[in-house]
Amino acid sequence: QKEVEQDPGPLSVPEGAIVSLNCTYSNSAFQYFMWYRQYSRKGPELLMYTYSSGNKEDGRFTAQVDKSSKYISLFIRDSQPSDSATYLCATGVGAGSYQLTFGKGTKLSVIP
Amino acid sequence: DGGITQSPKYLFRKEGQNVTLSCEQNLNHDAMYWYRQDPGQGLRLIYYSQIVNDFQKGDIAEGYSVSREKKESFPLTVTSAQKNPTAFYLCASSPRQGGGYTFGSGTRLTVV
Repeated sequence: QKEVEQDPGPLSVPEGAIVSLNCTYSNSAFQYFMWYRQYSRKGPELLMYTYSSGNKEDGRFTAQVDKSSKYISLFIRDSQPSDSATYLCATGVGAGSYQLTFGKGTKLSVIP
Repeated sequence: DGGITQSPKYLFRKEGQNVTLSCEQNLNHDAMYWYRQDPGQGLRLIYYSQIVNDFQKGDIAEGYSVSREKKESFPLTVTSAQKNPTAFYLCASSPRQGGGYTFGSGTRLTVV
C-alpha cells in the first residue's frame, strides 16, 4: 500500500461549483499536511498547511484533516477557471524530519 | 524576494552526454531536494541534502549525482548512465524546523 493515495482524476467541474479533492494516507506518524497547486509546466506552490486534525480556511479554500480515518481533503468554493491545475497533497512526520510524502496529484479543470 | 531559481528552463542533451541542472535558493533553508516528475508518476525523489557537504540518495538516484558545497546551491548532474533522462526536474528547499517545501519553477530536460 502506498503511503499516500490520491485519485489522479481528471476532474472536470463547471465554474462556480464546489470542488472536493481527497487523499488517504497509511502512516499514523504523519503530523502535518499540505496541499500544493501546480499549473502546467510550473513548480508546485504551497496552498494550504495544517498541523494535526481539524479545518483551516483561507478564502475560497478549506483544508480538512481527519487523523482518525487518515483522510485529508481540500474544498474549493465558487471554483474559477484559474483554479484549473493539478493539486498534490503532501504529509510529513513532524519538525526535525524534513521529508514530505506526496500524492500523485489530481488534475482539475474548471469549465467556464 | 526570496525564492528558488532553477536554470535553465529548457535543456536539450545528446545521448551520452552529462548535463548539470542549477538550483539556487536565498531563503536560508537548510534542506534541499531534487525531484523528477513524469506524467502519471507523481514526484519521485532523486537526492536530498540536510546540511552542507552531506546528501542522501532518494528513491531513484541511479544515474544522477549532486553536490552541496554551499548552503544556497544544490546542482544536479544527469549522467550518461541515466537510461531515461527526459523529464521535468524540480528543486525544492525547506527550513530546519519543517513545514512546507518551496519549489523552483523546474527544468525540462529533453534527450535528443
